[in-house]
Amino acid sequence: NAGVTQTPKFQVLKTGQSMTLQCAQDMNHEYMSWYRQDPGMGLRLIHYSVGAGITDQGEVPNGYNVSRSTTEDFPLRLLSAAPSQTSVYFCASSYYRDARQPQHFGDGTRLSIL
Amino acid sequence: AQSVTQLGSHVSVSEGALVLLRCNYSSSVPPYLFWYVQYPNQGLQLLLKYTSAATLVKGINGFEAEFKKSETSFHLTKPSAHMRDAAEYFCAVSDSGNTPLVFGKGTRLSVIA
Repeated sequence: NAGVTQTPKFQVLKTGQSMTLQCAQDMNHEYMSWYRQDPGMGLRLIHYSVGAGITDQGEVPNGYNVSRSTTEDFPLRLLSAAPSQTSVYFCASSYYRDARQPQHFGDGTRLSIL
Repeated sequence: AQSVTQLGSHVSVSEGALVLLRCNYSSSVPPYLFWYVQYPNQGLQLLLKYTSAATLVKGINGFEAEFKKSETSFHLTKPSAHMRDAAEYFCAVSDSGNTPLVFGKGTRLSVIA
């Protein structure tokens, strides 16, 4: 099993550009989420989804958009990139309705906004 | 609302010394608690989890953690640090299947030879 796959691993954007960070999992997990990691801030939840067609906002959703058309994929869209969105982004998945199950993380996408 | 506080953003120990990373939680219901480890340029990996069974939980790489309800703590320990333990460690709490996992800000562990 590949687990959680994130692409790209690195990306540099200019302010105002848009892009999509891809996340795919092959474990048939209902729950998927996006976090951003910044120094001294830990992981902050951006958006999450409990199944296809269902998404919800996390702690820091502004400037990001998500959709969940399939169980496997959960892309994160930056609508108009800003320097404050320079960060490392992690996608995670787990079984839903069982908080005892751990989350599985991808290796991250390192994004720089110039 | 649930929350996690990790005391100490950076902990430095000598190789072979005891590792103690502190985590205190806040939850209105009995929590599920997790420790994750992040090695440089990698994602997070599960070290161990507490899910209301034994209060002393053993994880991978010789780590263990003890759930203390009276102290609302879930501190991570390892008797003897190794150089390969140098990483960032995150404590996380969940109180149900319907709310997202909440992470602490992390503690960076350095191991000195």
